[in-house]
Amino acid sequence: DVKVTQSSRYLVKRTGEKVFLECVQDMDHENMFWYRQDPGLGLRLIYFSYDVKMKEKGDIPEGYSVSREKKERFSLILESASTNQTSMYLCASRGWGVAMNTEAFFGQGTRLTVV
Amino acid sequence: SQKIEQNSEALNIQEGKTATLTCNYTNYSPAYLQWYRQDPGRGPVFLLLIRENEKEKRKERLKVTFDTTLKQSLFHITASQPADSATYLCALEGVTGGGNKLTFGTGTQLKVEL
Repeated sequence: DVKVTQSSRYLVKRTGEKVFLECVQDMDHENMFWYRQDPGLGLRLIYFSYDVKMKEKGDIPEGYSVSREKKERFSLILESASTNQTSMYLCASRGWGVAMNTEAFFGQGTRLTVV
Repeated sequence: SQKIEQNSEALNIQEGKTATLTCNYTNYSPAYLQWYRQDPGRGPVFLLLIRENEKEKRKERLKVTFDTTLKQSLFHITASQPADSATYLCALEGVTGGGNKLTFGTGTQLKVEL
């Protein structure tokens, strides 16, 4: 059974803290993604990575950075957490299929609250 | 700019009826489009993929159409059941410099009532 695992289900952090959200996949996928989801705004792409040490900005990268040192692990970093980063964070992975049209597999999500 | 639009209003239908959800897009030339289901508090789960040269695709009670001229996909659930109640998202792929990013619409919430 394919799996994308996020390190925490719920997280509460203080404003200004450095926050690490970890995501691990066991499918040997090249591509990994970080999204945040807010009511009325849907899933918004923060960053994605198509290979180890390779990353690209998504639609809302400000205030975030990422790290991909190993193929199976993709970390999202909030350098200095702010209350407007309170959200549900979702990690996803996908492989390279024929013509790259493969499905994405999602983790269970991390609900982050910044107080 | 690229946009993917889904009806933000919840769709309420009666059990047994056909639910039809819409996904419209602008400034994309997608080779294919994907549909996902999301239950509250969980990550989306893949349902179907349809390619640009396919007008229609079916999987059990699900049917997806793809009109690249209208820039629209329709997602149908026939003989709907309360268990089909969820949020349904469409997704398109955009080619960037290094990789392919997957962008989602905001989703439409479906409620199937007894």
